[in-house]
Amino acid sequence: DAGITQSPRYKITETGRQVTLMCHQTWSHSYMFWYRQDLGHGLRLIYYSAAADITDKGEVPDGYVVSRSKTENFPLTLESATRSQTSVYFCASRSYTSTSYEQYFGPGTRLTVT
Amino acid sequence: DAKTTQPNSMESNEEEPVHLPCNHSTISGTDYIHWYRQLPSQGPEYVIHGLTSNVNNRMASLAIAEDRKSSTLILHRATLRDAAVYYCILLLGSSNTGKLIFGQGTTLQVKP
Repeated sequence: DAGITQSPRYKITETGRQVTLMCHQTWSHSYMFWYRQDLGHGLRLIYYSAAADITDKGEVPDGYVVSRSKTENFPLTLESATRSQTSVYFCASRSYTSTSYEQYFGPGTRLTVT
Repeated sequence: DAKTTQPNSMESNEEEPVHLPCNHSTISGTDYIHWYRQLPSQGPEYVIHGLTSNVNNRMASLAIAEDRKSSTLILHRATLRDAAVYYCILLLGSSNTGKLIFGQGTTLQVKP
C-alpha cells in the first residue's frame, strides 16, 4: 500500500539493548523526519534527513543514530536503550517540491524500555 | 525558533463553529503559520497553512490578524471526529527543510 509505514508498532525492550525502529515511505519524498512524543507533551524532533546519505540533528538527538542509504527508508536506532527513551516515535516525510511543507506522518511506534 | 501560545483546552458542541486561537507575537515577516492536528492514537495530520492572507480548504479556514501576531483556526461545523489536539506552528520562511517545532497544542473536546 502507498504511504508511510512504521514497524514495529509496539516494542518492549530492556535497558541497554539496541533497538531499531523502521520507517518506509512509498512517495519518494526527499525529506524524512523522526519525532518522539512523551505523555502530555507535543512532538520533539530527533533527526531529519534531506536526502539519501544526508542527515542532521534535531532538538533531542542524544542516544539515537540514524542512517538513510535509500530514499524510501529512514531507520532510527537506539544504541543502548534507556528508560527515558520510553516514548511514542513518529516518522514523517515531505516532498522537496511541496510549497506547503506539508509533512505526512506514520502511525507511530510505541516503545517501552524496562 | 519562534514561539506560539495556545490555550490548553477548549470545548465545543457538535455542529457548531469552533475558533481555535494562536498567539505568535515574535513572528517574522517570512514565517508561515501552520496548523496540524493529532487524533487520538494517531500521527499528526496537516490541516492548513498561511502567510498573510486568510486561507480556506476543505478541512478548515485560517484567519490571520493584520499584524500577523495572532491567528485563528476555524472549524465551521465541528463533528465528533474533530476531537483532537490542534497544533499551531511557525515555519521559518528561510527554512528549506520545513522542520516543525511542536508546542503543547490545544485539546479540543466536542460534545454531542
